[in-house]
Amino acid sequence: DVKVTQSSRYLVKRTGEKVFLECVQDMDHENMFWYRQDPGLGLRLIYFSYDVKMKEKGDIPEGYSVSREKKERFSLILESASTNQTSMYLCASSGYGGGSYNEQFFGPGTRLTVL
Amino acid sequence: SQQGEEDPQALSIQEGENATMNCSYKTSINNLQWYRQNSGRGLVHLILIRSNEREKHSGRLRVTLDTSKKSSSLLITASRAADTASYFCATDTGRRALTFGSGTRLQVQP
Repeated sequence: DVKVTQSSRYLVKRTGEKVFLECVQDMDHENMFWYRQDPGLGLRLIYFSYDVKMKEKGDIPEGYSVSREKKERFSLILESASTNQTSMYLCASSGYGGGSYNEQFFGPGTRLTVL
Repeated sequence: SQQGEEDPQALSIQEGENATMNCSYKTSINNLQWYRQNSGRGLVHLILIRSNEREKHSGRLRVTLDTSKKSSSLLITASRAADTASYFCATDTGRRALTFGSGTRLQVQP
């Protein structure tokens, strides 16, 4: 059974803390993604990676960075957490074939609260 | 505004009825995908329709795509209480990542 796992389901951090969100996939996918989801705004892409050590900014990268040292693992880093980063964070992975992106497989999400 | 916009934002129906959700987008696409999200969980892929396809079926799901109108619809037939969820369309525009809409919240009353 294919799987994307995220390190925490719920996380509470304080303003100014450095926060690491980890995502691991077992499908040997080249592509991995980080989204945040807020009510009424849908999913917004923060960063994605199409290969090890390769990354590309999404629509809302400010305040975030990422790391992909191994193919199966994609980390999202909040360098100095702020209250406006309180959100649901979703990780996903996908393959690529036939000139287009295939379905994305999502992790269960991490609900981050920054106090 | 979003590449994919779902309509309606919320839908409430009785069990056994059909549910139709629409998605409009702005730029040309390689494919369009529909996802379901149960409350507080990750998204689950439902169906993918390529730009050269007009209709696709999967169980009780029927998806249509009209590239001339830049729109798609998702029909769930004979809905069940377990279909209660949010539904998102996502477009592959060749950008290396999908673009998601803001979703339709479907409530199926038993």
